Amino acid sequence: EVQLLESGGGLVQPGGSLRLSCAASGFTFSNYAMSWVRQAPGKGLEWVSAISGSGGSTYYADSVKGRFTISRDNSKNTLYLQMNSLRAEDTAVYYCAKNTGIAARSDAFDIWGQGTMVTVSS
Amino acid sequence: SYVLTQPPSVSVAPGQTARITCGGNNIGSKSVHWYQQKPGQAPVLVVYDDSDRPSGIPERFSGSNSGNTATLTISRVEAGDEADYYCQVWDSGSDHVVFGGGTKLTVL
Repeated sequence: EVQLLESGGGLVQPGGSLRLSCAASGFTFSNYAMSWVRQAPGKGLEWVSAISGSGGSTYYADSVKGRFTISRDNSKNTLYLQMNSLRAEDTAVYYCAKNTGIAARSDAFDIWGQGTMVTVSS
Repeated sequence: SYVLTQPPSVSVAPGQTARITCGGNNIGSKSVHWYQQKPGQAPVLVVYDDSDRPSGIPERFSGSNSGNTATLTISRVEAGDEADYYCQVWDSGSDHVVFGGGTKLTVL
């Protein structure tokens, strides 16, 4: 069964850091790009970042560029999101999602994790 | 930056057809994907590449894309189709994924 399981969410103070992980199973991880999508409470979906299957290409939303870093370890079938300089507006459920292609361009997201909540508050 | 515009809400009676639009500049030149999200759940892909359906998605869900408007059509609407629906594209000009604001489908 294809599955994505996020972890690492929690409560953090403004300016703090957090690292999210997403463990993948049931498919050849390195053959697919992966992405992070977030959803603030009561709001719509917002794309955060994407990474190609090899990890050689990364993409970021303007709202997180320079603060967040996406990475992957294909030997561990795991996707990461390092979040620094966190702000209140980063509060959201963070989903990892499997892209339908390897390059992260024009892809759909065909598998989603259950999400992990990140709350930025003092 | 590229913007996708969806109506905030659409209402339809059971058994009727729901059409949810997604507007964008020359969106017909892009591949459009659609997601269904029920309360407290992760999104589910229901249509990809304008009009293809993932396995397990009923044939009642279909999509089209031309000009400045993409449309998700749900035929013979059921109570279980009540959810938020989002369109999504890749904007090659900015190398960003773009989501529409979402449409809440209410089954009367």
